[in-house]
Amino acid sequence: SQTIHQWPATLVQPVGSPLSLECTVEGTSNPNLYWYRQAAGRGLQLLFYSVGIGQISSEVPQNLSASRPQDRQFILSSKKLLLSDSGFYLCAWSPGPYNEQFFGPGTRLTVL
Amino acid sequence: QKEVEQNSGPLSVPEGAIASLNCTYSDRGSQSFFWYRQYSGKSPELIMFIYSNGDKEDGRFTAQLNKASQYVSLLIRDSQPSDSATYLCAASSGSARQLTFGSGTQLTVLP
Repeated sequence: SQTIHQWPATLVQPVGSPLSLECTVEGTSNPNLYWYRQAAGRGLQLLFYSVGIGQISSEVPQNLSASRPQDRQFILSSKKLLLSDSGFYLCAWSPGPYNEQFFGPGTRLTVL
Repeated sequence: QKEVEQNSGPLSVPEGAIASLNCTYSDRGSQSFFWYRQYSGKSPELIMFIYSNGDKEDGRFTAQLNKASQYVSLLIRDSQPSDSATYLCAASSGSARQLTFGSGTQLTVLP
């Protein structure tokens, strides 16, 4: 069966510090991968998606970037965090073809 | 701009009743539709997806899709207190079938 991991589970970072969040998927190959952010009390906002190694599409211009160095690894990064980057960051994977997406446990980020 | 609209609620129903959750979408090119359940502080959990007009049933859950009206709904029969959560509706479109989510409807099932 497939499993998706995210770490860390929680993170408190000062404004201006860098960020690296990691997501890995087990038990599948060539998945579609997605990064979402959920602000407090809000819906999910798609940040990035990837259909293959090195292929990243950005949905929203922002202070963040994503990379996919390996087939089942997806990384979300920032060089300098802003207060507005606080939120619940969720990684999801999809096997296709009907694109049901399955979410990881998430990382709760607080920027102070 | 693609939008998915949901009544934010909160919606309260007594235990054993039918809960009805509704969702509309703006992009006529949307291909599939999804319902997720999210407990407080947790990540969303897929309940059902539907891509053809009509009804799709899975246990106590029934998803309904009307593409002409751009309307999706989720019925929960015999609601239980454990069904209390936020329910997220999502529509997929685009080359990677990206999901656009609604803001969610908070459901409380009263014992």
